[in-house]
Amino acid sequence: GAGVSQSPSNKVTEKGKDVELRCDPISGHTALYWYRQSLGQGLEFLIYFQGNSAPDKSGLPSDRFSAERTGGSVSTLTIQRTQQEDSAVYLCASSPWTGPSSYEQYFGPGTRLTVT
Amino acid sequence: SQQGEEDPQALSIQEGENATMNCSYKTSINNLQWYRQNSGRGLVHLILIRSNEREKHSGRLRVTLDTSKKSSSLLITASRAADTASYFCAMTGTASKLTFGTGTRLQVTL
Repeated sequence: GAGVSQSPSNKVTEKGKDVELRCDPISGHTALYWYRQSLGQGLEFLIYFQGNSAPDKSGLPSDRFSAERTGGSVSTLTIQRTQQEDSAVYLCASSPWTGPSSYEQYFGPGTRLTVT
Repeated sequence: SQQGEEDPQALSIQEGENATMNCSYKTSINNLQWYRQNSGRGLVHLILIRSNEREKHSGRLRVTLDTSKKSSSLLITASRAADTASYFCAMTGTASKLTFGTGTRLQVTL
């Protein structure tokens, strides 16, 4: 079956603009995760969804970042008033389950965001 | 923030040799996973070892876990050029989110 897909694959935006990043998880996966990878910070967790609710938003770096998930499927990560430090690869992952006995996570190819 | 530290940061070996990467972490875990990343994009899951397991094998991969030392190692035997990638350990605790190590860049030359 299809894997996790993300769009766009690359996004260049001017400082101060808003951007939306999209993630289509594997069908039937209830858990969805957003991570980002930057040179200075490595791979870091942003937010995770169980169904449409987000029990853990602890990794969102500021209130300029928000995410939603609808229909237990597609998720959108929105960054408002982008800053140069937001430049990174944003990775989405999904998993069939969540909880203490975690399953492996399946990652999408990422969206490379460049803020100029 | 990173919970895990990996060493070496970079490793260069010849095809056919074995590659060993080490991961140390700070807090108790539920399981530890290893992922591979090619060209700085999506990660591919390699192997998962639970906190009550000490060793696990998958093909040419061997993972060990020592919870008393808070450390894990990944061994790739008989390496191939296609194994060239970055390798990350990732930990889960009571929450299911992954907390990644700093990564090891492996270069396998012919």
